[in-house]
Amino acid sequence: DVKVTQSSRYLVKRTGEKVFLECVQDMDHENMFWYRQDPGLGLRLIYFSYDVKMKEKGDIPEGYSVSREKKERFSLILESASTNQTSMYLCASSLLAEVPEQFFGPGTRLTVL
Amino acid sequence: QKEVEQNSGPLSVPEGAIASLNCTYSDRGSQSFFWYRQYSGKSPELIMSIYSNGDKEDGRFTAQLNKASQYVSLLIRDSQPSDSATYLCRGGGSYIPTFGRGTSLIVHP
Repeated sequence: DVKVTQSSRYLVKRTGEKVFLECVQDMDHENMFWYRQDPGLGLRLIYFSYDVKMKEKGDIPEGYSVSREKKERFSLILESASTNQTSMYLCASSLLAEVPEQFFGPGTRLTVL
Repeated sequence: QKEVEQNSGPLSVPEGAIASLNCTYSDRGSQSFFWYRQYSGKSPELIMSIYSNGDKEDGRFTAQLNKASQYVSLLIRDSQPSDSATYLCRGGGSYIPTFGRGTSLIVHP
């Protein structure tokens, strides 16, 4: 079974803090994705990566950065957290294929006060 | 902008009925489609994939794809209260997946 894990289920941070969200997958998938999900807005792609040290911007990259130093690990970084970044953050992984099936982690509910 | 559209619902059906969830897409290059189920507070779970025109059945679930009409649907037969969730449709003709905003399904006893 594909397993995608995320470092925290719930996280509370203060405005201006630097926040790290970690995602690890154990199926040797090339692709990894970070989404945020808000009521009424659906899943929005923040960043994705097709290979180690490679990253591409998604639809809403502003205020975020990512790091992929190892194939199995993809980190999302909020350089200076703001209240409008309060959201559910979901990591996903997939094989490198034209339209691959994605597998999601359990999600991190981030609250920025 | 390549889009996937879904009615947000909620779609309310009685237990035992057939629930019909629909999705349209704008990218004619899209080749494959996926349906995810998402319970409240949980992450999306893949339940069906469909790659060619026609129907694909898996247990109580049937996915239908009509590329000429750019239309994808998911039928749930013998709906159960445990099917109550949000259903996300996903397409994408390139390497970047495109999700609809999801349809909320409520199955009442």
